[in-house]
Amino acid sequence: NAGVTQTPKFRILKIGQSMTLQCTQDMNHNYMYWYRQDPGMGLKLIYYSVGAGITDKGEVPNGYNVSRSTTEDFPLRLELAAPSQTSVYFCASSYSGHEAFFGQGTRLTVV
Amino acid sequence: GENVEQHPSTLSVQEGDSAVIKCTYSDSASNYFPWYKQELGKRPQLIIDIRSNVGEKKDQRIAVTLNKTAKHFSLHITETQPEDSAVYFCAASRRSGGYNKLIFGAGTRLAVHP
Repeated sequence: NAGVTQTPKFRILKIGQSMTLQCTQDMNHNYMYWYRQDPGMGLKLIYYSVGAGITDKGEVPNGYNVSRSTTEDFPLRLELAAPSQTSVYFCASSYSGHEAFFGQGTRLTVV
Repeated sequence: GENVEQHPSTLSVQEGDSAVIKCTYSDSASNYFPWYKQELGKRPQLIIDIRSNVGEKKDQRIAVTLNKTAKHFSLHITETQPEDSAVYFCAASRRSGGYNKLIFGAGTRLAVHP
């Protein structure tokens, strides 16, 4: 099993550009999450999904959108990128909403 | 919603000493409390967890205790080693609307000095 795979690993965006962070898992987990981690800070929940077709907002959803058309994939969309969205983004998955397995992260810089 | 507070934000110990990190949570319906370790530049990884029907759990040099009445739980690392140096996150999960949501504390940066 590859586990949770995120792409890309690094990205630089200009202010106002948009992009999609990809996340896929091969563990047949129902739950998937997107967190952001600012330098020296904790993990803030952006969005989560409890199954295909079901998504909900977390603590910091503004400026982001998600979709969950399949069990495996949970992409995170940034529209109109802003410097405040410079962060490391982690995708995670979980079978029951308890033990979470994290991807390796995407380091995003908005300039 | 759930709020998880974690203390201290940084902790420095000598090799061989014990380290204790504490977390408090706000929602009494929370029922699962994991601890994650994040080494520099790496992803967070689960090291130990505890459910609300258990008061203490131990795994070699690490242990977690839970006080449901006071709504706090703690991570204890004994005989610390330099490789224990990392950021540690606590989290709490509660069931709401039929689904579990996992909320993290702000993290504790632990430095173990030889």
